[in-house]
Amino acid sequence: QVQLQESGPGLVKPSQTLSLACTVSGDSSSSGGYYWSWIRQHPGKGLEWIGCIYYSGSTYYNPSLKSRVTISADTSKNQFSLKLSSVTAADTAVYYCARGPPLVFDAFNIWGQGTVVTVSS
Amino acid sequence: QSALTQPASVSGSPGQSITISCTGTSSDVGDYNYVSWYQQHPGKAPKLMIYEVSNRPSGVSDRFSGSKSGNTASLTISGLQSEDEADYYCSSYTSSYIVIFGGGTKLTVL
Repeated sequence: QVQLQESGPGLVKPSQTLSLACTVSGDSSSSGGYYWSWIRQHPGKGLEWIGCIYYSGSTYYNPSLKSRVTISADTSKNQFSLKLSSVTAADTAVYYCARGPPLVFDAFNIWGQGTVVTVSS
Repeated sequence: QSALTQPASVSGSPGQSITISCTGTSSDVGDYNYVSWYQQHPGKAPKLMIYEVSNRPSGVSDRFSGSKSGNTASLTISGLQSEDEADYYCSSYTSSYIVIFGGGTKLTVL
């Protein structure tokens, strides 16, 4: 059974880079056919898709965040990562990593528990 | 890409049926059969309830069903139960490999 677990600092200073990792257990992050995604949820608000990486290494980003986002994978650690640069208070949110069924880009049936990231000095 | 439009709240009594709407545009909901629905209880990660408009993942109750007409998708929950009380989000694929979500609907079971 595939499980995902987010990790990273819970507090980031404004203008710095937010870095999170998602560790995959029960499967390989390089398994063929899967899109590995990051999604966030602002406090008391809805969900926002940040972007994803395909097993081949191709990446896809939300246009509203594209200039600041990098998603990468480290198959040796069975992890994929999120970097969000030049953060502001508006980036304070719960960050989730997620995966969908094979070859499905837009639906997410496996989620991490989420990690709270606060941007504050 | 703007967020999909959902009602802020809906309510129903146990045993009743409710429907939550999700309105997009001809560039997302209206153009692709890639609409999903998620259930989220407080403090928990979302759970996929419906994908590709009307498909239920294994383990999801058949009380949950999805449909689409034009630019509006709908989630129907029949035989409402207390445990269905949660926030519900729709999402849709749009062009150029982008996913957008709705603002969420709070379901109250009276």
